[in-house]
Amino acid sequence: DADVTQTPRNRITKTGKRIMLECSQTKGHDRMYWYRQDPGLGLRLIYYSFDVKDINKGEISDGYSVSRQAQAKFSLSLESAIPNQTALYFCATSGVPRTDTQYFGPGTRLTVL
Amino acid sequence: RKEVEQDPGPFNVPEGATVAFNCTYSNSASQSFFWYRQDCRKEPKLLMSVYSSGNEDGRFTAQLNRASQYISLLIRDSKLSDSATYLCVVNGNKLVFGAGTILRVKS
Repeated sequence: DADVTQTPRNRITKTGKRIMLECSQTKGHDRMYWYRQDPGLGLRLIYYSFDVKDINKGEISDGYSVSRQAQAKFSLSLESAIPNQTALYFCATSGVPRTDTQYFGPGTRLTVL
Repeated sequence: RKEVEQDPGPFNVPEGATVAFNCTYSNSASQSFFWYRQDCRKEPKLLMSVYSSGNEDGRFTAQLNRASQYISLLIRDSKLSDSATYLCVVNGNKLVFGAGTILRVKS
C-alpha cells in the first residue's frame, strides 16, 4: 500500500463550488504539506502543518483553507473554486531524521470549469 | 530573478549518452539540495540529496558549487527509463522547487 494517499485522484467541478481534497499518510511523519503544480512552474506551497495544532500559510494560500484532523490526515479545501485553481495538487509529508526530504502522494488533478 | 532556475529542455539524447543538467539558486544561505524525478502526471520522487560538495549513486552524480550557487546532475549511460522531468530543490529557510528539466532518452 502507498505511504501517502490522496482522494480524489481526479475531479472536475464548476466555478463557485466547494471542493475538499484529502490526504492520508502511514509514514508516521509529523509534517504535512499541500502544493500545487502548474505547467512551467515549480511546485508552490499552499499550506503546511508541523503537527496537529500547527497550521501555516505557504506562498499561495489565498482561496484555500486546510484542516489537520489527525497526525495522519491533512485536508485542503477550496471554498469557492475558480478556474485559475485548475492544477495538479500534491500532498507531501516529511519527518525525522531528514525533515527536509519530502514524500509525495500521487496527486489530484482538479479542473474548475 | 527566480529563486531556483533550471533549463526546461527538453534534452533529447540517445541511449548510452551522458547528459548533465544545471540548476542555479539565489539564496546563498541555502543548506541542502535535492534532485527529484517526476514521471508524466505522477508524483515527484527523491532521486538524490546533496549536503556537501556532491553525491554519487550508480549512474547518477550530483555536484554542488556553493561559490557559483549551482548544483548539477550528471547521468551516465542513459537508459530509456531515465526519460522524465528532473526537479531541482533547494532548502534555504524553506524548500523551493525549480520548474524542472525534461529529459527524453531515445533508442
